[in-house]
Amino acid sequence: RKEVEQDPGPFNVPEGATVAFNCTYSNSASQSFFWYRQDCRKEPKLLMSVYSSGNEDGRFTAQLNRASQYISLLIRDSKLSDSATYLCVVNSNSGYALNFGKGTSLLVTP
Amino acid sequence: EAQVTQNPRYLITVTGKKLTVTCSQNMNHEYMSWYRQDPGLGLRQIYYSMNVEVTDKGDVPEGYKVSRKEKRNFPLILESPSPNQTSLYFCASSRVIHHEKLFFGSGTQLSVL
Repeated sequence: RKEVEQDPGPFNVPEGATVAFNCTYSNSASQSFFWYRQDCRKEPKLLMSVYSSGNEDGRFTAQLNRASQYISLLIRDSKLSDSATYLCVVNSNSGYALNFGKGTSLLVTP
Repeated sequence: EAQVTQNPRYLITVTGKKLTVTCSQNMNHEYMSWYRQDPGLGLRQIYYSMNVEVTDKGDVPEGYKVSRKEKRNFPLILESPSPNQTSLYFCASSRVIHHEKLFFGSGTQLSVL
């Protein structure tokens, strides 16, 4: 089983839609969870960290389910500018490296 | 401005010709790392460093070397590049504790002919 798995998509949604991505991880001892956003061939940028109690940042909500070992990202009221690849990131077995999922591609259309 | 600076942005070379991709950060971060990104494979870690003189292999270290002689610099060395090392490379840094936000360089697109 891969350490971090994501549905690659693409997710094609109209503007204003709500879309959710899930990501599963294999290491039950993982402590750090993040969502990064990457625009085409640009560097990834942190979108948000994921906390145990769940957290929200504007239209974005991240949640962690330790029992089922998955994290989720919910985007409400999608904008054209949300079109990007979303990377799920979890710390590794060693705790000192980070494992990236392959990313989920989102395309928001007018 | 806090940043990670990678050079060069684009590099075309030939098989076997040694090259170095430089990476420098100005945030006094302990942790630095190199990744390669290939279509369908996502970001894969090559090497990482927890501090000066402390480096460790990531998932795909074969064919690469790194050094961490100074805290700010973490160069990636390809002693004898091969075509399968054609890829988009990213350097990143962060504070070690809790793996806070990773700052990425702008990337280096390497083509080995």
